[in-house]
Amino acid sequence: DIQMTQSPSSVSASVGDRVTITCRASQSISRWLAWYQQKPGKAPKLLIYAASNLQSEVPSRFRGSGSGTDFTLTIGSLQPEDSATYYCQQADSFPYTFGQGTKLEIK
Amino acid sequence: EVHLVESGGGLVKPGGSLRLSCADSGFLFSGYSMNWVRQAPGKGLEWVASINGDSSDINYADSVKGRFTISRDNAKSSLYLLMNTLRAEDTAVYYCARDRSLATPGLDYWGQGTLVTVS
Repeated sequence: DIQMTQSPSSVSASVGDRVTITCRASQSISRWLAWYQQKPGKAPKLLIYAASNLQSEVPSRFRGSGSGTDFTLTIGSLQPEDSATYYCQQADSFPYTFGQGTKLEIK
Repeated sequence: EVHLVESGGGLVKPGGSLRLSCADSGFLFSGYSMNWVRQAPGKGLEWVASINGDSSDINYADSVKGRFTISRDNAKSSLYLLMNTLRAEDTAVYYCARDRSLATPGLDYWGQGTLVTVS
């Protein structure tokens, strides 16, 4: 199975800051990576698919990049509503696997 | 507007069985692969199972293989998860989720989740 490792596990930043979350796969997954945002008590929301494609209606301050084993999610100009837990997920092969999550707190 | 609604969760004893359902509205159900993803209390997301549009390709997480069965009824636009031999560690919120595309996968629509408690 492909293991997904996210870092950091938590991050605190201020409104207007730029935040970067990284995700590393245990083997190459080409560009088959998705990013999700989850707020407490809610279902996850797809932000990015195929490493760098912005899902419809997701603000353009969210940007994904990377290929192979190393990926990043960058949130530019942080907003209060971005407080959430973020997960990466590989969609290269079954079983699909998620990273352990990164909790983003707004100071 | 795509709308997925899960049902069938509840309290069940260890060793028991439960069947979850997920009903769709707003899209051509048969054209999409569907998944079950779960989240134990206070924990991260765990993919459980996937089924393609015509049920010819089915995959499971090792943790549920042999105990859970995913199925679908395209005529009813419904997805199912039959869970047998339940264990305490199966306690979680179970979400159904649509895979947006075989070419560029990602789980683009999710239900609200249904809680399964094994105790």
